[in-house]
Amino acid sequence: QAHLAESGGGLVKPGGSLRLYCEVSGLIFSDYYMSWIRQAPGKGLEWVSYITNSGSVIYYADSVRGRFSISRDNAKNLLYLQMDSLKAEDTAIYYCAGGHRSETYYNHFRHWGQGTLVAVSS
Amino acid sequence: SSELTQDPAVSVALGQTVTITCQGDGLGDYYASWYQQKPGQAPILVIYGQNSRPSGIPDRFSGSSSGNTASLTITGAQAEDEGDYYCFSRDYPLYVFGTGTKVTVL
Repeated sequence: QAHLAESGGGLVKPGGSLRLYCEVSGLIFSDYYMSWIRQAPGKGLEWVSYITNSGSVIYYADSVRGRFSISRDNAKNLLYLQMDSLKAEDTAIYYCAGGHRSETYYNHFRHWGQGTLVAVSS
Repeated sequence: SSELTQDPAVSVALGQTVTITCQGDGLGDYYASWYQQKPGQAPILVIYGQNSRPSGIPDRFSGSSSGNTASLTITGAQAEDEGDYYCFSRDYPLYVFGTGTKVTVL
């Protein structure tokens, strides 16, 4: 049974930094592409960033490019999101989600974590 | 960047059929997937590919696509199907979620 657990969220001032973690268990992490997805309070889902199973290809949404950095450690089964220059509009629940590399073509996330809350406020 | 547009809200009588649509320029080239989200919970995948369901998803959920529109149909809606539904697809090279549809089961 796959399990994804996010951590690292919290309250941070505008302009500050935060690092999110997603610990994955119950599957072969190195076979899974991963993404970070966020949801602002009362709003819809927003895709944030994507990384292939090997880490060789990375994409960012326009809203975070240049401020956020996604990475992974396949030996530790960990996905990261380094968030710098945070803004009030980055306030959201951040979910990690993933799918098997053989199903990349289907543009989907079979496995999701429960999310971690990031609040950016002075 | 392109958008995936969904109707904000739909309602369906218990046991009846409802179809949610998702419109976007890229849907003619890329598969869409669909997610159900209930209040306070993480989204779950309900449909992907042409019309595939993960294990545990009831067969009353089905998907289809035509041109730039992807659709999710719930045939014989149950009270537990109430929630928000989002489509997701490629906005090459990036990705994008739909605007979301709130489904109410009456």
